[in-house]
Amino acid sequence: DGGITQSPKYLFRKEGQNVTLSCEQNLNHDAMYWYRQDPGQGLRLIYYSQIVNDFQKGDIAEGYSVSREKKESFPLTVTSAQKNPTAFYLCASRDGTVQQETQYFGPGTRLLVL
Amino acid sequence: GNSVTQMEGPVTLSEEAFLTINCTYTATGYPSLFWYVQYPGEGLQLLLKATKADDKGSNKGFEATYRKETTSFHLEKGSVQVSDSAVYFCALDSGGYQKVTFGIGTKLQVIP
Repeated sequence: DGGITQSPKYLFRKEGQNVTLSCEQNLNHDAMYWYRQDPGQGLRLIYYSQIVNDFQKGDIAEGYSVSREKKESFPLTVTSAQKNPTAFYLCASRDGTVQQETQYFGPGTRLLVL
Repeated sequence: GNSVTQMEGPVTLSEEAFLTINCTYTATGYPSLFWYVQYPGEGLQLLLKATKADDKGSNKGFEATYRKETTSFHLEKGSVQVSDSAVYFCALDSGGYQKVTFGIGTKLQVIP
């Protein structure tokens, strides 16, 4: 089955700790995205990547970092600089070569602070 | 810049009631419009889409028509079920590698 997987489903972070959220897709999509979802705020774009070894900041990139070493993978690191990391994180991908193509979403990771 | 406006809700309906969730947008050019649905604890799934003016997207009894003159893409369903309870997101995409713009999401609760 083609799709997007995110792990873990739940993640707990301690003060001052960096944590990494995994996102993998086997859809052969060029473009991948990370969103943060908070109640009443919809989805806000953190980072996106159009091709391997290239990525751009979204609207709320501060306190986050990403890498795109492989087409299939786009991990997100929540650093200690992110002071309010508790949220639901969604990864998405789409075929960037097709205009206005649908984004496909993973099941999400819920990050909680201990 | 691009923007999408929809009510946050919650919208509470009885089973078999008629549903309308309003969505209006501001965008340059000719965007594609989408409705996504999110069930509790899950990611977003595409519900329907329309790529040009006057197109009607439909799926699972839901419909939405791309109205360029009123810059709207309202979601409708004639008879909702308890299983339709979810959060519904309107979104637009101006194409290329530009980001997709999402509305804040409307929570729908259907009671038996």
